Amino acid sequence: AQSVTQLDSQVPVFEEAPVELRCNYSSSVSVYLFWYVQYPNQGLQLLLKYLSGSTLVESINGFEAEFNKSQTSFHLRKPSVHISDTAEYFCAVSGPNDMRFGAGTRLTVKP
Amino acid sequence: EAGVAQSPRYKIIEKRQSVAFWCNPISGHATLYWYQQILGQGPKLLIQFQNNGVVDDSQLPKDRFSAERLKGVDSTLKIQPAKLEDSAVYLCASSQGQPLEQYFGPGTRLTVT
Repeated sequence: AQSVTQLDSQVPVFEEAPVELRCNYSSSVSVYLFWYVQYPNQGLQLLLKYLSGSTLVESINGFEAEFNKSQTSFHLRKPSVHISDTAEYFCAVSGPNDMRFGAGTRLTVKP
Repeated sequence: EAGVAQSPRYKIIEKRQSVAFWCNPISGHATLYWYQQILGQGPKLLIQFQNNGVVDDSQLPKDRFSAERLKGVDSTLKIQPAKLEDSAVYLCASSQGQPLEQYFGPGTRLTVT
């Protein structure tokens, strides 16, 4: 079975600063990797995904993540954050039959 | 395209009472999931349906939780009787087939007092 570890439970940053949210996974089979974002009182929204091909994937709102097989990581990055990026971010790994989520990282962007 | 619908959005009950949640997945999505998200934690899969059959219910507390997906579309999750530790957000998600790119509903926030 797969598992996911999000290394930081909370990440406070100032507006326009860069940010990295860390995610490591473990699995004995090939996996697919996802980042979901959850705004207050809302469900999870898919931010970006890695299925195959290029190891660097991007979202429409400036986030990117890089799949690193040797380090079993899928860290999420953004070069310049906005107040509106304040939310909970979940890394997830999907195997053949199921999906496992990390515990989440709360990103707080301060003015 | 309409998203995943869930109701109610909020529910407050006393312990030992029963409660039911409803989910309507995206049209055409064969796979439906129920997750429990306790405050400060990531979603935990309770049960996964493929059409109207159960694929995985290994983490469903079957002594008090039950779920059904009659006709392979809508689904209902029930808790009877509820315990204080059941307080959580219950998320429904759907996908077209394999557990790729799940689409989530807004969730039902349950408070058990």
